[in-house]
Amino acid sequence: AQTVTQSQPEMSVQEAETVTLSCTYDTSESDYYLFWYKQPPSRQMILVIRQEAYKQQNATENRFSVNFQKAAKSFSLKISDSQLGDAAMYFCAYRSLYNQGGKLIFGQGTELSVKP
Amino acid sequence: NAGVMQNPRHLVRRRGQEARLRCSPMKGHSHVYWYRQLPEEGLKFMVYLQKENIIDESGMPKERFSAEFPKEGPSILRIQQVVRGDSAAYFCASSPSDQGNYGYTFGSGTRLTVV
Repeated sequence: AQTVTQSQPEMSVQEAETVTLSCTYDTSESDYYLFWYKQPPSRQMILVIRQEAYKQQNATENRFSVNFQKAAKSFSLKISDSQLGDAAMYFCAYRSLYNQGGKLIFGQGTELSVKP
Repeated sequence: NAGVMQNPRHLVRRRGQEARLRCSPMKGHSHVYWYRQLPEEGLKFMVYLQKENIIDESGMPKERFSAEFPKEGPSILRIQQVVRGDSAAYFCASSPSDQGNYGYTFGSGTRLTVV
């Protein structure tokens, strides 16, 4: 069974600085998808960025980018020019290509605070 | 285009009562997923449904929990005889397909409190 681990329960960053959130996963599959979700206090789960395992190029969405290291099974999220609105819980998630329906497997989350 | 709609937003039940949580997927989405988030934890998969069919219920507790997604109307997650341990946030997500790199669209969740 696949697992997702986020080893940083809490992180803090100064406004306008850069922060990296870590995520590792365990799988025997060669093809899969990885996601980062943001959950602000409103509880809404917001998709931040996604990565296909067969793509070597790291995904980028504006100030958000990932460092995908397939051999190391690592999928970290970098937030550049941090803003107050980035403060939230961030969840890393894995989705298999082979299981019917492709349920998401989430990590435990990292709570990010942004200091003004 | 409305997103995934969940109601109620908050639900309080006494132990032993029934809880019914509703989820209307995004327009055009025929795949619905339910997840549970316990305090201080990530989301855990419960069940995956398509219209009138349960596809994967591997995350559902064996007793007291059931889910449906009828041909017409919202998907319903039903918890019978609730206990304090059922207190959690329950999220619904929808997708147009079970293939592809979709990350799903989530609703805002229903926070269930059992007193």
